[in-house]
Amino acid sequence: GDSVTQMEGPVTLSEEAFLTINCTYTATGYPSLFWYVQYPGEGLQLLLKATKADDKGSNKGFEATYRKETTSFHLEKGSVQVSDSAVYFCALKGSNYQLIWGAGTKLIIKP
Amino acid sequence: EAGVAQSPRYKIIEKRQSVAFWCNPISGHATLYWYQQILGQGPKLLIQFQNNGVVDDSQLPKDRFSAERLKGVDSTLKIQPAKLEDSAVYLCASSFSTENYGYTFGSGTRLTVV
Repeated sequence: GDSVTQMEGPVTLSEEAFLTINCTYTATGYPSLFWYVQYPGEGLQLLLKATKADDKGSNKGFEATYRKETTSFHLEKGSVQVSDSAVYFCALKGSNYQLIWGAGTKLIIKP
Repeated sequence: EAGVAQSPRYKIIEKRQSVAFWCNPISGHATLYWYQQILGQGPKLLIQFQNNGVVDDSQLPKDRFSAERLKGVDSTLKIQPAKLEDSAVYLCASSFSTENYGYTFGSGTRLTVV
């Protein structure tokens, strides 16, 4: 069945460092791909999405490109801030239209 | 637009007691989801509604959990009787359609069973 694998955390970076959180997927057909963010004590927020191959989703300085050839959707940001500290979830929506979630990656940004 | 509303925000109950959570989705969103998120894990789908019909409840522990969306708008999730392992955040989400849209999540209800 469909699945999502993302890098284990926590990922700890200094402020202004470059961020990559890896996400790969297994799915039949052409899923839509999403990154959600969960700040401490809050619900999940949609960060960005891509619905077809080579699409690039972007929001708040974060970017991810839908790579069908490598079945990946890695999250990147050029310069992270302390306020980016959160848990990031990669997810796909497959043929049954349900979201399949990765386990989440905790990001800690130190000043 | 108003977001997905959930209440209560926090609830502490003793095991074997019952509890109910309420969710009001974004106006016009036909699809409503209830998720359980245990600390340190990703969300687990409990039940999905399309209008007032159940689309998927395969992971809902039906011996103790129940959910309804009688008028196709707001929804209630109930646990009776609660167990210690039910301690989690219960998230409600809604979506305009089942296709290429992300979900909008509420802030969740944090349940602690003692």
